[in-house]
Amino acid sequence: DAGVIQSPRHEVTEMGQEVTLRCKPISGHDYLFWYRQTMMRGLELLIYFNNNVPIDDSGMPEDRFSAKMPNASFSTLKIQPSEPRDSAVYFCASSQGPGLMNTEAFFGQGTRLTVV
Amino acid sequence: AQKVTQAQTEISVVEKEDVTLDCVYETRDTTYYLFWYKQPPSGELVFLIRRNSFDEQNEISGRYSWNFQKSTSSFNFTITASQVVDSAVYFCALSGANTGNQFYFGTGTSLTVIP
Repeated sequence: DAGVIQSPRHEVTEMGQEVTLRCKPISGHDYLFWYRQTMMRGLELLIYFNNNVPIDDSGMPEDRFSAKMPNASFSTLKIQPSEPRDSAVYFCASSQGPGLMNTEAFFGQGTRLTVV
Repeated sequence: AQKVTQAQTEISVVEKEDVTLDCVYETRDTTYYLFWYKQPPSGELVFLIRRNSFDEQNEISGRYSWNFQKSTSSFNFTITASQVVDSAVYFCALSGANTGNQFYFGTGTSLTVIP
């Protein structure tokens, strides 16, 4: 398996623009996570899905953030409108479940977002 | 509440020295898992090890070893004979049976190995 695939790897956008980050989890993994990493706040869990259903989105900072998982092999994280403080590295991760809950999460290479 | 504390923010060692990275956790779950991840300068997060709460056996993998002690709620990571390639940020993480499959990460320890 190619691992968790994220796109784009880098995104530079202007404040106010819509940004969409994409993730393809490892095949067979039932859990998908979106994390944000900044120097100030470290790794923050934004939202996670189980079997394509959002389980906990309490980490989503504002209504400007939304995430979807239309099928088992694809998820998006959208920011609309984007702001400079959204600049961060966004990671997608997946893990096996439900029968194998709490196994390790495998991370994508991340999307480095810069909002100017 | 689930919490992971990595008190060491930055560590520098000279190549070939041994170094231990500390991890202390808090959880109310009786069944839980602990993890270590490595984040090299290239930025990706690499899984290193998983340990479950009912297996306190220490583990060794090459120059890496892990010491899990439930009595002190610690899961420490030792690198023996450190190398420059070990320079990275290391994260400890916790996942509990009663908190879905969420992973709670510590703030990371930045390790620099000086040649």
